[in-house]
This record gives sequence, C-alpha cells and structure tokens, in this order.
Amino acid sequence: GAVVSQHPSRVICKSGTSVKIECRSLDFQATTMFWYRQFPKKSLMLMATSNEGSKATYEQGVEKDKFLINHASLTLSTLTVTSAHPEDSSFYICSAGVTGPKETQYFGPGTRLLVL
Amino acid sequence: DAKTTQPPSMDCAEGRAANLPCNHSTISGNEYVYWYRQIHSQGPQYIIHGLKNNETNEMASLIITEDRKSSTLILPHATLRDTAVYYCIVADSNYQLIWGAGTKLIIKP
Repeated sequence: GAVVSQHPSRVICKSGTSVKIECRSLDFQATTMFWYRQFPKKSLMLMATSNEGSKATYEQGVEKDKFLINHASLTLSTLTVTSAHPEDSSFYICSAGVTGPKETQYFGPGTRLLVL
Repeated sequence: DAKTTQPPSMDCAEGRAANLPCNHSTISGNEYVYWYRQIHSQGPQYIIHGLKNNETNEMASLIITEDRKSSTLILPHATLRDTAVYYCIVADSNYQLIWGAGTKLIIKP
C-alpha cells in the first residue's frame, strides 16, 4: 500500500516553456503533499508543502510564481515550472503524507526535467 | 539545516548485517526518527521510523538509545540491492523532513 505516482517520469523542454508535473497518491488520501528538488549527487531539498484546498507553503528562496503548486484533491497535486530555464533542470520528487498512528511520507519515483 | 549527523559512506559484505549509525543530539521530545533510502535516480523509499522504542519491520530494525540522541538502522542480511544512500531524519508530526547528506552504503559481494 501507500503508492505514489508521478507523471511524467522525464521531460525535455525548450527554455521559456512551462512544464506540469503530476503527483498522485494511488491507494490513500493525502491531505499533505510535499515537493522536493534534487540536484546531481545532492540531497533532497524541500521546495513547498501542499495542503489540499489551500495555498502551498513555500520554503525560503523558492519562487512561488515560478513553481506553481495546485493541490486540487486528496489524491492529486501538481507542480508547474513556469518559463523554465536550463538552471531549472533537476530531479523533482513529490511525497504524500499519511496521517494516523504511523505518520510517514511516501515518495513518488521522481520526474527528471531537462530544459534546453 | 539537517538535525542529524551520519557517516558519508560505509561498506558491508553481502549477507552480513549492515549497521548504520545516526546522531541526533538536538532531537526534541515530539520528534520522530525516520529512515529513508534512495537508490540511484529513484524516489526515496521509506524504511522505518520510531519515537522512543526500538522498532522492527520486514525491511529493518531501528534501535534508538535511551536518551534518544542517537540511533542505528540495522539491515539484518544485506544484499546487493540494498546499495543506496540512507537518510536519517528527525521530524515532528508536521511531516517536514529536512534531508542531510545521508550515508552511501555499498554492499560488496
């Protein structure tokens, strides 16, 4: 149980275009989803916390107008990288929080974004 | 900043127990200790977590010291597929995980 999917798994786009990444919790409802970014050989960095039905909370240094997050339902959150530039190329990973006695986060497989 | 300290890398022979240490001397009373691992180019995988008591599941055991300032993740019979970066994280019930550099565990045949 507790499966999280991401789509697409990898995407290549031209500089200036926008890219949408979907994160879905397949077999549970997640009131909270998280978006991370990971550069090569580096640890994960939390970008934002997404709560269903409310605005996302962004970490310091993350531009909310550039990384648009929509958590429309208890099973879906989307991250849109607007006007992507080559420096946005990274591995983007989402996770979903499972509430209850065993609070934990389950992670999606990640989306590799390459901006040319 | 991450609230945990882990060795950057460790080796372990296949079939032996892998013991991964983690220091979290500033952990507060309501923070859990979580362990995740990340195999190259994949999303992190949840392993185990605990608050005070030792925990065991089908993947691993978690031993937390009585003062909760350190813990050890034990993979009882390491296989080559356990080669990964292992992250020890302390977090409260708000879920926010602050990731450190982790321990790169290499299982050798």
